Order: sequence, then C-alpha cells, then structure tokens
Amino acid sequence: GQNIDQPTEMTATEGAIVQINCTYQTSGFNGLFWYQQHAGEAPTFLSYNVLDGLEEKGRFSSFLSRSKGYSYLLLKELQMKDSASYLCAVRRGAGSYQLTFGKGTKLSVIP
Amino acid sequence: DSGVTQTPKHLITATGQRVTLRCSPRSGDLSVYWYQQSLDQGLQFLIQYYNGEERAKGNILERFSAQQFPDLHSELNLSSLELGDSALYFCASSVAGQFTDTQYFGPGTRLTVL
Repeated sequence: GQNIDQPTEMTATEGAIVQINCTYQTSGFNGLFWYQQHAGEAPTFLSYNVLDGLEEKGRFSSFLSRSKGYSYLLLKELQMKDSASYLCAVRRGAGSYQLTFGKGTKLSVIP
Repeated sequence: DSGVTQTPKHLITATGQRVTLRCSPRSGDLSVYWYQQSLDQGLQFLIQYYNGEERAKGNILERFSAQQFPDLHSELNLSSLELGDSALYFCASSVAGQFTDTQYFGPGTRLTVL
C-alpha cells in the first residue's frame, strides 16, 4: 500500500520562505508530484521529481530523497495568492500512471 | 485553463438517484482519470481509462462505473446515490506512456446529494 504524510496546516508571512514537507511509504516509486489547489478549484501542477535532488522553477523548488522517502516544496518570496492547499502525490512503479495523493497542506499567507 | 473540460459544474440531486458526469480530456491525451475529493478524505483515485480501455481501479464503489468513448471523452456514472457521495469529482487527463507523464485536472463537478 501507500502512505503519504503532510502537515495539515501552515502559516507564513508575505515575502518569507516556507517549506512544506512530505513523507511517503510506497510499495513502488516512479515519481513524486506537487500540486497547488485553491479552495473549490482544480489542482494545478507545480513540480515533478523522480531523481534525488532539487528541481527549481521560479519561486518554487522541490526536493526529493528516495532513500528517505522524503520530499519538500519550497516557496520563496511568498505572495498572498500563494494561500492554497499543496498536495503531494506519489506515482507507483513503471507502467502505472496512477497517483496517490496526500491529504494536502493548507498554507495561509498573512501580511 | 488546463484544457480539460467537465460538465456539469454543479449537480444537486436526491438520495437514490443516478447521475452522469462528463469529461473531455486535453487534445492529444489518451488517458483519463477520475478522482473524488471530500473534505475529510482528500483526493481519492477512482478509476483510469487509457484509449478506451480500463487501465487501473482505485477505491471505486460498485455503485459507480465509468467508460471512455472512441472520441476519448469519458463519463462517470454514479447510481443509488447516498448522502456520503456528496463531493467534488475531478477528471484529469494525461498523454500516458511518457516517463514524465503529468496529469492535468479539469475544473470539477460539485455533487450535492440531499
């Protein structure tokens, strides 16, 4: 089976940096995804990691350590519009495109 | 806009009824995925279709069924509805078959069962 853990809620200040952690235990692994979801809206794709290390994309970066079953999403220069839920999702072994999502971390950005 | 469309946007119905949700994938995407999102459960994978055939099944109830048509649009049928079926239902699509395959989500259908 698969188990994905993320903090339920986080609060950070506008302009600051925040790190959202995700730990996972899976029977197979073929990539980890981060999605952003504003309340009542569709999840939107942020990043994908399949190899260990850091992937940077503008203000957002994502890190993966496969041996530790650990990933984080780093958001820099926080803006009010970054207030949303951030979903960590794991894809199982080769040939399977099914994603298993964590319950998400609700981030509140305050002035 | 992800390019994935879903109809209807909202659906209100009564217990015991049957509804059909529709999804059109992004142009070129062969695979369609259905997810259910309720407040306490997060996004739960229901079922995947690839080029008209069922590819993977998740936590889909027997009262629910889906299909993907030759034009690649998909429908999710929910029957004998219960109060607990009230949720957001998302469809996602992907090319599938690529190593970096990414799922893109439609705007969702909000189902309310009264």
